[in-house]
Amino acid sequence: DAGITQSPRHKVTETGTPVTLRCHQTENHRYMYWYRQDPGHGLRLIHYSYGVKDTDKGEVSDGYSVSRSKTEDFLLTLESATSSQTSVYFCAISLEGRDTQYFGPGTRLTVL
Amino acid sequence: DQQVKQNSPSLSVQEGRISILNCDYTNSMFDYFLWYKKYPAEGPTFLISISSIKDKNEDGRFTVFLNKSAKHLSLHIVPSQPGDSAVYFCAASKTGTYKYIFGTGTRLKVLA
Repeated sequence: DAGITQSPRHKVTETGTPVTLRCHQTENHRYMYWYRQDPGHGLRLIHYSYGVKDTDKGEVSDGYSVSRSKTEDFLLTLESATSSQTSVYFCAISLEGRDTQYFGPGTRLTVL
Repeated sequence: DQQVKQNSPSLSVQEGRISILNCDYTNSMFDYFLWYKKYPAEGPTFLISISSIKDKNEDGRFTVFLNKSAKHLSLHIVPSQPGDSAVYFCAASKTGTYKYIFGTGTRLKVLA
């Protein structure tokens, strides 16, 4: 257990509503990541952070924004959720960028 | 453009036999590789890694082989156990980046 929690664990929302997912770590790791997992696509990187207020885009960042105001928290926001954003979202952390990533338990998001 | 490919979506193996999971990559700049295991409703967990300066890394029942000229890596599990039944992801990274590219996963089923 790498001390990563995600909240909420499950969420059902409607198209057009804003959604924020939270990732919290107790390990003081510098790097944090948001992925989505979809059948046939594996894990795809949405955004990542390499320090407080330092973030960058991943391969599927459109429609998502992130914020990191504290080392321990990394927020993923869907400004206006769409059905194509129905997915399982995983947060991951690593001490350094090339280190092993440790994953949280995931958040299952359904957009109706 | 899938830079990391796992061409076998599923694999079934008898308990006690060898499981071989394959992964191909297209980017010759990738120089560090990981394997993760994922059970349903859980986050991926790290299994084993290999750097491009090696061609083999072993950890208990798990061995990863890297063939740089073929841009291919494989994970061998010997002997396979029913508890190994899970989805396995390979991931690749290159020096200077802070992120991994994941494959689409292979579902392994070990039959008792």
